[in-house]
Amino acid sequence: GDSVTQMEGPVTLSEEAFLTINCTYTATGYPSLFWYVQYPGEGLQLLLKATKADDKGSNKGFEATYRKETTSFHLEKGSVQVSDSAVYFCALSSGGSYIPTFGRGTSLIVHP
Amino acid sequence: KAGVTQTPRYLIKTRGQQVTLSCSPISGHRSVSWYQQTPGQGLQFLFEYFSETQRNKGNFPGRFSGRQFSNSRSEMNVSTLELGDSALYLCASSSPPPDEQYFGPGTRLTVT
Repeated sequence: GDSVTQMEGPVTLSEEAFLTINCTYTATGYPSLFWYVQYPGEGLQLLLKATKADDKGSNKGFEATYRKETTSFHLEKGSVQVSDSAVYFCALSSGGSYIPTFGRGTSLIVHP
Repeated sequence: KAGVTQTPRYLIKTRGQQVTLSCSPISGHRSVSWYQQTPGQGLQFLFEYFSETQRNKGNFPGRFSGRQFSNSRSEMNVSTLELGDSALYLCASSSPPPDEQYFGPGTRLTVT
């Protein structure tokens, strides 16, 4: 079945540091890939998505590229802020399934 | 457009009781999914409803049930509550194509 593997957290960074959160997936066919973010006390919200190989999703300074050859969708940001502190979920949605498969989430803590 | 709303936001129940949680999807969205989020198990899929029919079901005991009304609003019910049912319950709605999901803020259930 489909699965998503994310790097274990927490990831702790200083403000303005470069961020990478690794995500790899296993899926049949050609899934759509997503990053969701959950701020403290809130539900998840879509951060960015990519629907086909080599697509780059981007939003709020975050970006991720759909790499079919390495089955990866790593999240990056050039300069993190304290306000980026949250839990980040990688997810996929593959043909025929209406339910996305989520990774376990990676907590990001950014210190001033 | 108004987002996904969930009521109540917080609940405290006693073991053995039952509870009903409510979710109002984004206007026009016909699919509603429910998730349980705990620190130990992460985000786990409960069930999904589409046009008043349960279309997908996760691996939860029969104590967990749900329904969807003709206006797409959904409720989930947990009977005979156990301590392990303490969690954040998230509702998400989506519209065709079944792609990205829009989450509500969740209901925090505490079972004592």
